[in-house]
Amino acid sequence: AQSVSQHNHHVILSEAASLELGCNYSYGGTVNLFWYVQYPGQHLQLLLKYFSGDPLVKGIKGFEAEFIKSKFSFNLRKPSVQWSDTAEYFCAVNANTGGFKTIFGAGTRLFVKA
Amino acid sequence: GAVVSQHPSRVICKSGTSVKIECRSLDFQATTMFWYRQFPKQSLMLMATSNEGSKATYEQGVEKDKFLINHASLTLSTLTVTSAHPEDSSFYICSARDDRLAGRGDTQYFGPGTRLTVL
Repeated sequence: AQSVSQHNHHVILSEAASLELGCNYSYGGTVNLFWYVQYPGQHLQLLLKYFSGDPLVKGIKGFEAEFIKSKFSFNLRKPSVQWSDTAEYFCAVNANTGGFKTIFGAGTRLFVKA
Repeated sequence: GAVVSQHPSRVICKSGTSVKIECRSLDFQATTMFWYRQFPKQSLMLMATSNEGSKATYEQGVEKDKFLINHASLTLSTLTVTSAHPEDSSFYICSARDDRLAGRGDTQYFGPGTRLTVL
């Protein structure tokens, strides 16, 4: 069955620290990969996505993610976090063969200390 | 940018009544929309896939007679929770797949969600 695993459920960092959130997926065929962010009290917003081309994808607000096909991974990174990055981050995947259903990981709650 | 709206944003109803939630794509067409349910501090659970002009496809364990989905146009899908009970209280989120991005990432845009409370 298709699944998405996020390894860190809660992460606490100080401002200016570097961030890496792990995401692994189990999905056959060609996949599209996404990272979404949900700020407190707000709806989901797309941070970045990968569907083809350069496996290193740059998104909004200084985030980037790298697709490593051999590892079925799509980890999210940011070199220097800010207090305003406090939010919940969801990794998600869909595939052309899956009716475009998007499966979400459990989410990682990030808290950045000022 | 692509915007998806949901109405209402919050609804409180009595047990046994039905509640309709609307999901609209405001500036793009969406042949396919999705309905999710999110419990507090948990991830989104896909309930069903809504296709314009055809029957919705429900995920395993989701009662299709309880959660009625109608996708009447390329910009509107509705979810009706019939005979609601307190255990149906949750945050319901819709997303719309941008037809313009078919085959190029198939990005979905999410609505702000509807918080349903059944007394």
